[in-house]
Amino acid sequence: EAQVTQNPRYLITVTGKKLTVTCSQNMNHEYMSWYRQDPGLGLRQIYYSMNVEVTDKGDVPEGYKVSRKEKRNFPLILESPSPNQTSLYFCASSLVGLAGVDTQYFGPGTRLTVL
Amino acid sequence: KNQVEQSPQSLIILEGKNCTLQCNYTVSPFSNLRWYKQDTGRGPVSLTIMTFSENTKSNGRYTATLDADTKQSSLHITASQLSDSASYICVVSGGGSYIPTFGRGTSLIVHP
Repeated sequence: EAQVTQNPRYLITVTGKKLTVTCSQNMNHEYMSWYRQDPGLGLRQIYYSMNVEVTDKGDVPEGYKVSRKEKRNFPLILESPSPNQTSLYFCASSLVGLAGVDTQYFGPGTRLTVL
Repeated sequence: KNQVEQSPQSLIILEGKNCTLQCNYTVSPFSNLRWYKQDTGRGPVSLTIMTFSENTKSNGRYTATLDADTKQSSLHITASQLSDSASYICVVSGGGSYIPTFGRGTSLIVHP
């Protein structure tokens, strides 16, 4: 089954404790991205990757890091989480970048709470 | 600045009725416009993708229209079902950026 998986699905942590949210896709997609979703603000892109070893900032990259060492994986790293990073996070993938017409598939989401 | 505005913010309809959601954008140059359905607490699911040359695209009971001249799109839902209760998000790509511009969504509630 074609899918995007994220782990963990729920996470409660404390300020400053480094964490990683994993994202994996099994569709051999080149394009992957991370979004956060906050009430009243909608979805905002954090980082995206056009292919292995090619990443770039989205709208709200501050406080986040990513890496793309393999085509299927695109982890999101919070080196020193702060309470304003409490949010619902989504990973997504598509065959090529969003200027194309390929369907973008979203993961199930990771609900992060930073105390 | 690239912007996507959706209206209404929320909508309540009775099961079986039709409804239309609106999306206006300022993104230029235009690459494509996507409509997503997002159930509460779940990831968005793609409904339609339209390019400049397409003015109508259907996916079952969902029909999206695009007027690239006026920079407007609509999503029409026919014979609504309880399972249509969700948030509907309009996303426009283009504007000289690889970063898509998201609308804030329309929350639809379908009552029996």
